[in-house]
Amino acid sequence: QVQLVESGGGVVQPGGSLTLSCAASGFTFSRYGMHWVRQAPGKGLECVAFIQYDGSEKYYTDSVKGRFTVSRDNSKNTLYLQMSGLRADDTAVYYCANGDSGSYPYWGQGTLVTVSS
Amino acid sequence: DVVMTQSPLSLPVTLGQPASISCRSSQSLVHSNGNTYLNWFQQRPGQSPRRLIYKVSNRDSGVPDRFSGSGSGTDFTLKISRVEAEDVGVYYCMQGTHWPPWTFGQGTKVEIK
Repeated sequence: QVQLVESGGGVVQPGGSLTLSCAASGFTFSRYGMHWVRQAPGKGLECVAFIQYDGSEKYYTDSVKGRFTVSRDNSKNTLYLQMSGLRADDTAVYYCANGDSGSYPYWGQGTLVTVSS
Repeated sequence: DVVMTQSPLSLPVTLGQPASISCRSSQSLVHSNGNTYLNWFQQRPGQSPRRLIYKVSNRDSGVPDRFSGSGSGTDFTLKISRVEAEDVGVYYCMQGTHWPPWTFGQGTKVEIK
């Protein structure tokens, strides 16, 4: 069955850096675009980054442009999100999700990033 | 970005009674290929989102048939025919027609009266 397992979250000071990972299994990872979707505490869902199946296209929401970098290693079936210049409003649970036909059929369990001094 | 607007934002329901959530988009969600990529997700307390409905009215495997989706263009509805205790949570609509980005509604919190 499809599994998406995020890791790498934690507590970081404002201005700090963190790299999230998402290990995928149960589907052909290299055929799908992958998304990072975040959810601030008590808030809704927001797509913050996307990478095409082959890495040829990337998208970032405006608030993270220049600070976050999405990448993937298809040989390891792993998605990454490098985050730098972290701010308090980046505090959220970060989910990875595979994008398929205008939808997110599968989600990981999420990893919590807390930006606090 | 396409704005998705849900109503109501809070929905107290009596067990066994029906519930309905509306979702409106700021643009038509009909894709150039003729499909309408409107999805519904359920997020139970402390859990990840789970897809219930895709392309307006298609239920995912394992989703009870008391959940149904309908609508077209810019107006969509999720209905629960008889609410059960396990249906408590937040429901989100999401459009996957216009990229970038795919966008979500604000969420509707379903609770038992």
